[in-house]
Amino acid sequence: GAGVSQSPSNKVTEKGKDVELRCDPISGHTALYWYRQSLGQGLEFLIYFQGNSAPDKSGLPSDRFSAERTGGSVSTLTIQRTQQEDSAVYLCASSLQDTTPNQPQHFGDGTRLSIL
Amino acid sequence: AQSVAQPEDQVNVAEGNPLTVKCTYSVSGNPYLFWYVQYPNRGLQFLLKYITGDNLVKGSYGFEAEFNKSQTSFHLKKPSALVSDSALYFCAVRVAYGNKLVFGAGTILRVKS
Repeated sequence: GAGVSQSPSNKVTEKGKDVELRCDPISGHTALYWYRQSLGQGLEFLIYFQGNSAPDKSGLPSDRFSAERTGGSVSTLTIQRTQQEDSAVYLCASSLQDTTPNQPQHFGDGTRLSIL
Repeated sequence: AQSVAQPEDQVNVAEGNPLTVKCTYSVSGNPYLFWYVQYPNRGLQFLLKYITGDNLVKGSYGFEAEFNKSQTSFHLKKPSALVSDSALYFCAVRVAYGNKLVFGAGTILRVKS
């Protein structure tokens, strides 16, 4: 079946511009996560959605970062006024409803964001 | 707070030999542990998870992991390495419902023919 789909796969933009990254989770997966992978920081959690609500936003690095999820499906991560330190690979993951904590998360291939 | 350590940046092994990628964890409460693999320009691919009570967990592609509660370790193993196993491996831990995964720094596995 279809996996987690992320778009675009690559994004190059100028410092100060806004960007939107999209994640389409596996059908039926109610939990959705955003992570960031960078050379210096490794893999970092950003935000978690259960349905359309985000009970854990603790990983968002600044108020320039926001995310939403609509219809319990597609999610968009928005970065406003991008800075060079935002350059990273942004990974989205989804999983079945969190009734058990050992439910694996399934990842998309990520969006590679480069800020010039 | 929970954490995961992968003490080796890189592991080199000859094809056909057994491999071990090490992971130790620190959690309060029950550990929910996972191994993922990442190939170049790809996302993370789930390999296996710890199941409470099973000290040896089998996963995808012939990989298995050995859980040791006293040593707080969850080492990834494979009896016979393949060149195609060369990739970046991440150990991760999760505590409680709805919680994020906390990842180790990753270990590069290089299998040489």
